[in-house]
Amino acid sequence: GAVVSQHPSWVICKSGTSVKIECRSLDFQATTMFWYRQFPKQSLMLMATSNEGSKATYEQGVEKDKFLINHASLTLSTLTVTSAHPEDSSFYICSAPRDGFEAFFGQGTRLTVV
Amino acid sequence: GEDVEQSLFLSVREGDSSVINCTYTDSSSTYLYWYKQEPGAGLQLLTYIFSNMDMKQDQRLTVLLNKKDKHLSLRIADTQTGDSAIYFCAESISNTGKLIFGQGTTLQVKP
Repeated sequence: GAVVSQHPSWVICKSGTSVKIECRSLDFQATTMFWYRQFPKQSLMLMATSNEGSKATYEQGVEKDKFLINHASLTLSTLTVTSAHPEDSSFYICSAPRDGFEAFFGQGTRLTVV
Repeated sequence: GEDVEQSLFLSVREGDSSVINCTYTDSSSTYLYWYKQEPGAGLQLLTYIFSNMDMKQDQRLTVLLNKKDKHLSLRIADTQTGDSAIYFCAESISNTGKLIFGQGTTLQVKP
């Protein structure tokens, strides 16, 4: 069964609104989680590293004020896309490493901004 | 910087073997991974290999690692139509759980 759960699976929102995506590790604690973005027919690009109890680390070119990350507990990280615009439409997917190396991914969230 | 390269497309007939190839650049990667992604879905971890191994077999899947050439391959025996998907190889960055992905290989299985 799934070891990382992501919610929602898909969301449609209006331009200018904010959307929150949750990522939960189900049967293990994850002090670190990762958020990726995937454009259609492309690979996954790492956006940021979510750290429990401290600030997230963002990859170069990713706007931290646009993509707010909160690692509220050892099993939950959230990504909030603020003031979403159509160009933010994408597939967002999180991962959590178990035992330090087994990287398990959530089901992904398809965001469409209209 | 780190880079992972894959061929983009592979077409095989049902029952044949499929071999998907990948090259990577980070020689310090301890683990290398293969993921499967079906349309509109997340990533399914298929298998991984520790860098001190040459080969790992798991049912129909065989992973070969040539560390000298930084070449990784995934062989799927007796390929089925349900194996049609995009396959990503990925390398870990200093065992942080952070992964660098290849572009993905689309596997098409013809009946």
